[in-house]
Amino acid sequence: KNEVEQSPQNLTAQEGEFITINCSYSVGISALHWLQQHPGGGIVSLFMLSSGKKKHGRLIATINIQEKHSSLHITASHPRDSAVYICADSGGYNKLIFGAGTRLAVHP
Amino acid sequence: KAGVTQTPRYLIKTRGQQVTLSCSPISGHRSVSWYQQTPGQGLQFLFEYFSETQRNKGNFPGRFSGRQFSNSRSEMNVSTLELGDSALYLCASSLSNGYSPLHFGNGTRLTVT
Repeated sequence: KNEVEQSPQNLTAQEGEFITINCSYSVGISALHWLQQHPGGGIVSLFMLSSGKKKHGRLIATINIQEKHSSLHITASHPRDSAVYICADSGGYNKLIFGAGTRLAVHP
Repeated sequence: KAGVTQTPRYLIKTRGQQVTLSCSPISGHRSVSWYQQTPGQGLQFLFEYFSETQRNKGNFPGRFSGRQFSNSRSEMNVSTLELGDSALYLCASSLSNGYSPLHFGNGTRLTVT
């Protein structure tokens, strides 16, 4: 059983829509990571958070420690946001447990 | 500042051979971690090094090993390659050991035939 569950697996949106990707984890964490992977494989770290909320441009990440749940929101989505978004639970020392990823396609 | 550099980008090997992959972290980063990505299993943690010491290891057979040098560069080695070792191998570096953002390299795509 994957200890990190993401939903949805696939997401299609029209440009400008508000997008939410959810992540649930089952073990205690030191940090929850949100990553973005474009075709070709390169991974970019979007957020690392252990409490509350973080915002960077059009991206917002929230975490609820009691419910072991995190969300990634994209406001005013754009075709360049099309990528796979992955959440990962850090068990310490960068020993990440990854979710299966959410494949997002944003159409103009 | 230069990013994380992984070499080579692509590699084709035959079953039974061994392979060594290299990762040069961002200058000043002392933690290097390695991950394997396959279509079937997704991303999985291999191991993490901090100041030349392996701090954590994932659930992989002993054929997978690594090391870190005094300049923080890291190598991972896979011996007796199997078809199932075909994957994208990613390394990431960070300032500390688990509480700093990770910076990923572009990966080495290994194909075992």
